[in-house]
Amino acid sequence: DGGITQSPKYLFRKEGQNVTLSCEQNLNHDAMYWYRQDPGQGLRLIYYSQIVNDFQKGDIAEGYSVSREKKESFPLTVTSAQKNPTAFYLCASSIAPGPMNTGELFFGEGSRLTVL
Amino acid sequence: GQNIDQPTEMTATEGAIVQINCTYQTSGFNGLFWYQQHAGEAPTFLSYNVLDGLEEKGRFSSFLSRSKGYSYLLLKELQMKDSASYLCAGILTDSWGKLQFGAGTQVVVTP
Repeated sequence: DGGITQSPKYLFRKEGQNVTLSCEQNLNHDAMYWYRQDPGQGLRLIYYSQIVNDFQKGDIAEGYSVSREKKESFPLTVTSAQKNPTAFYLCASSIAPGPMNTGELFFGEGSRLTVL
Repeated sequence: GQNIDQPTEMTATEGAIVQINCTYQTSGFNGLFWYQQHAGEAPTFLSYNVLDGLEEKGRFSSFLSRSKGYSYLLLKELQMKDSASYLCAGILTDSWGKLQFGAGTQVVVTP
């Protein structure tokens, strides 16, 4: 079945450690995104990529890094520079909007990161 | 970023109708998505409005007025499984695919 797979679902990290969240899609979508969700707040965009080997910062990119070496994959690294990394992280993908589609985002199941 | 405003929580009875309003700055967005998100799960697509008017999909309908920066999601014949957070997301004009999300409206359906 086509979809977006995020792993791990739950992750615990000690302060000062980097951690990488995986996101893989087999929908043949051009664009991929990383959002962060905190209680009582909307989803906030961390990074996005519309084509391979290119990505752009979102609203809250500080302390995060990404790569887009393959169309299917868009891993997110939460670095030790991120001051408050405990959150629910959502990966999404989309195709460009056009006459036959809305360009809606398709989301993975999310990864919950807890810093101990 | 641009503001997307929606109420924090709404409570309604099973079988009733609930309307979730969403307002936004008109200059920043091309249209709106509505997503449903159950606790701890991924958001799922409900509706999309890029033109003014009402879009109906079964028990769910969504309305958009671009000139007023206003949208609503209407949930009819509420069921217990409709208890979830409903996210309004504006389509930013500067880049396709980039969405600005509201904080979400938690709908609680009671028996």
